[in-house]
Amino acid sequence: AQSVTQLDSHVSVSEGTPVLLRCNYSSSYSPSLFWYVQHPNKGLQLLLKYTSAATLVKGINGFEAEFKKSETSFHLTKPSAHMSDAAEYFCVVREPTGFQKLVFGTGTRLLVSP
Amino acid sequence: NAGVTQTPKFQVLKTGQSMTLQCAQDMNHNSMYWYRQDPGMGLRLIYYSASEGTTDKGEVPNGYNVSRLNKREFSLRLESAAPSQTSVYFCASSEEGYTEAFFGQGTRLTVV
Repeated sequence: AQSVTQLDSHVSVSEGTPVLLRCNYSSSYSPSLFWYVQHPNKGLQLLLKYTSAATLVKGINGFEAEFKKSETSFHLTKPSAHMSDAAEYFCVVREPTGFQKLVFGTGTRLLVSP
Repeated sequence: NAGVTQTPKFQVLKTGQSMTLQCAQDMNHNSMYWYRQDPGMGLRLIYYSASEGTTDKGEVPNGYNVSRLNKREFSLRLESAAPSQTSVYFCASSEEGYTEAFFGQGTRLTVV
């Protein structure tokens, strides 16, 4: 069965410093992987997705993630945090078999201080 | 482009009352989902529907029923609300395969 582990429930950074949000997955097959962002009291917006093409995936707002099969990881990074990046981030896995359900991690709340 | 539309956005129920959350998508997707979001637990799948006329239980189906009325609409019903069902509910839709899901804006439900 597929699963996702987000290694940090909260990450705090200063504006202008790098962001690293960690995600490890478990899947029997080559999965699709996604990062979604949720701003306070809002819905979920897709940041980026990996679907077995390039292992380094670029998303919106300067975010990117690298798929590392050997480490079963899909960490999200951004070179320089902005105040508007403060939000909750979810790593999501989807297997290409059966119903192909999306399975969510428990989320990482990113706090950005001035 | 409306995408995925959920109604209502907010609702307060008394314990034992019933209600139906409505969801409609205009992207011609076969797959639709209902999730609930609780602090520290991410989004957990309640029910899903692979196509019109089919539904299946997800991770936390107890206390809920669903109806896939047609390809566009997927409703979630609480027959007898309980305080443990206080949550934010999200409907989503997607195509098959490696693609992402598109989410509605959510329904914030409080059961008192």
